[in-house]
Amino acid sequence: NAGVTQTPKFQVLKTGQSMTLQCAQDMNHEYMSWYRQDPGMGLRLIHYSVGAGITDQGEVPNGYNVSRSTTEDFPLRLLSAAPSQTSVYFCASSKEKGTTEQYFGPGTRLTVT
Amino acid sequence: GEDVEQSLFLSVREGDSSVINCTYTDSSSTYLYWYKQEPGAGLQLLTYIFSNMDMKQDQRLTVLLNKKDKHLSLRIADTQTGDSAIYFCAEKGDTNAGKSTFGDGTTLTVKP
Repeated sequence: NAGVTQTPKFQVLKTGQSMTLQCAQDMNHEYMSWYRQDPGMGLRLIHYSVGAGITDQGEVPNGYNVSRSTTEDFPLRLLSAAPSQTSVYFCASSKEKGTTEQYFGPGTRLTVT
Repeated sequence: GEDVEQSLFLSVREGDSSVINCTYTDSSSTYLYWYKQEPGAGLQLLTYIFSNMDMKQDQRLTVLLNKKDKHLSLRIADTQTGDSAIYFCAEKGDTNAGKSTFGDGTTLTVKP
């Protein structure tokens, strides 16, 4: 199993550009989440999904969209990038409600100039 | 909402024990986790404890849970330089489908 994969690893955007961060998992996990990690602010939940076709907002959803058309994929879209979205983005998945563990991808480092 | 707090930094000498502390506010937390993040990498689960336990030991790691005070700690015995990383405390209630609330992380520096 590849686990949770994320692409790209690094990205630089100009303000106003849009892009999609890709996340995929091959463990048949129902639950997937997107977090952003900023210095001194830990991990903050952006959006999450409890299964294909179902998504919900987390703590900091503004400026981001998600969709979950398949169990495997959970892309995160930045609609109009802003410097405040400069961060490291982590995708995570877990097997089921109440599971003991989330599996994290390696992260995407995004810089918006 | 739920909140998880940790001290930001800890520095120890190689061979000493490290104790990383965490407090949380959600009294319905069912699962409490410790994750480790090495530089440039994602988070990896180190250990976890169910809320009906008060201690769990796993090789050099000991997790202590005081549910009354909502206090969780991670003790690393015989700390090595390879243990230098950021350690995140996280909690999840049984109904929070797939979601965990994370602390800000404690940066552990191990000096030789």
